[in-house]
Amino acid sequence: EQLVESGGDVVQPGRSLRLSCAASGFTFSNYAMHWVRQAPGKGLEWVALIIYDGSNKYYADSVKGRFTISRDNSKNTLFLHMNSLTTEDTAIYYCARGYSYGVSWGRGTLVTVSS
Amino acid sequence: DIVLTQSPGTLSLSPGERAILSCRASQSVSNNYLVWYQQKPGQAPRLLIYGASTRAAGIPDRFTGSGSETDFTLTISRLEPEDFAVYYCQQYGSSPRTFGPGTKVEI
Repeated sequence: EQLVESGGDVVQPGRSLRLSCAASGFTFSNYAMHWVRQAPGKGLEWVALIIYDGSNKYYADSVKGRFTISRDNSKNTLFLHMNSLTTEDTAIYYCARGYSYGVSWGRGTLVTVSS
Repeated sequence: DIVLTQSPGTLSLSPGERAILSCRASQSVSNNYLVWYQQKPGQAPRLLIYGASTRAAGIPDRFTGSGSETDFTLTISRLEPEDFAVYYCQQYGSSPRTFGPGTKVEI
């Protein structure tokens, strides 16, 4: 089982970014998926959850209205569309498999928001 | 939101010693839906314990989770060199899922 995040970059405040998480080694379409982030030197913060078929999505208050989680089950890929980025969004972003908690995790992708 | 508090912030121990990590919730965690993760520098978190006391697949039996309602404990019976890491608790009994701030176990 493998989860590989990509798309992290250095962006200016107010800009947008899309992260991807490529899944392999398990039946992606059977599982809910999370995005969890970790600011430099800080703890873990849950960001968003999407259930197996994409019909329900949930967000942390800190990103609601700015971030959108989505998935393409035909391509075994999870996405996080991030708009109106602020310096507070600077973090490593991890994708994780599971509904209630992260059973398995990717290695993360770094997003830096800086002018 | 349920706030999780972990103590101590840092635990300084030697290999072979026992580590006791605490996670306290600001309100009762429904059905004891609490997990523990281990995170080493530069790595993703690894699931250790779910349902407060069930070891995840492949986790050695020196890791034991216990507790209920608002007080939970992770015990590492005899520290191995590879156990020095940061440990996080997370509750999934209510939305949003929330994490504790972590306990660093250092040599």
